[in-house]
Amino acid sequence: KAGVTQTPRYLIKTRGQQVTLSCSPISGHRSVSWYQQTPGQGLQFLFEYFSETQRNKGNFPGRFSGRQFSNSRSEMNVSTLELGDSALYLCASSLAGNMNTEAFFGQGTRLTVV
Amino acid sequence: GESVGLHLPTLSVQEGDNSIINCAYSNSASDYFIWYKQESGKGPQFIIDIRSNMDKRQGQRVTVLLNKTVKHLSLQIAATQPGDSAVYFCAETDSWGKLQFGAGTQVVVTP
Repeated sequence: KAGVTQTPRYLIKTRGQQVTLSCSPISGHRSVSWYQQTPGQGLQFLFEYFSETQRNKGNFPGRFSGRQFSNSRSEMNVSTLELGDSALYLCASSLAGNMNTEAFFGQGTRLTVV
Repeated sequence: GESVGLHLPTLSVQEGDNSIINCAYSNSASDYFIWYKQESGKGPQFIIDIRSNMDKRQGQRVTVLLNKTVKHLSLQIAATQPGDSAVYFCAETDSWGKLQFGAGTQVVVTP
């Protein structure tokens, strides 16, 4: 059974550009969550999608957005990149995103903004 | 309740000894708690979970203890091995798909 797949693994962008990251959840999983990991702030929740609907959102500016497709694959987009957006972006999938459901993480996309 | 990962605390443990990793959580409404292990270059890996109606749960070589009175969670690893070297995070949740992570503890296993 394939795990959570994130693409690309590494990305370098320039300030002001925009970026799209992709996440393919485990087959059969309908919930996808996104997290940002930095040395200074640790792991922080961005948003969660279930059946193409955003159910929950963290405290990030509107430059961070996402969507989920009918096959449960998800993308997140960051517009007008800032240096502080450099981070490891992780996605996690779970069967239904219930509070008591194990979430499986991908290896992440390492974004560097220069 | 957000993690403030400034300086990551480090736990050095000798191979074969038991490890205890502690975590304080802040949200009284959280009712599900998880421990994750993250190795360098990888995403967090599920270790063990516990629901708020329990105070102890055991897995293979790991035990999680939950004290809701003082909002404290701990992970005990028995007979620590070199492969246990990693960063360990506790996480809590009270809403759909949203995990609140602690700052993390770096565990270093020495021979």
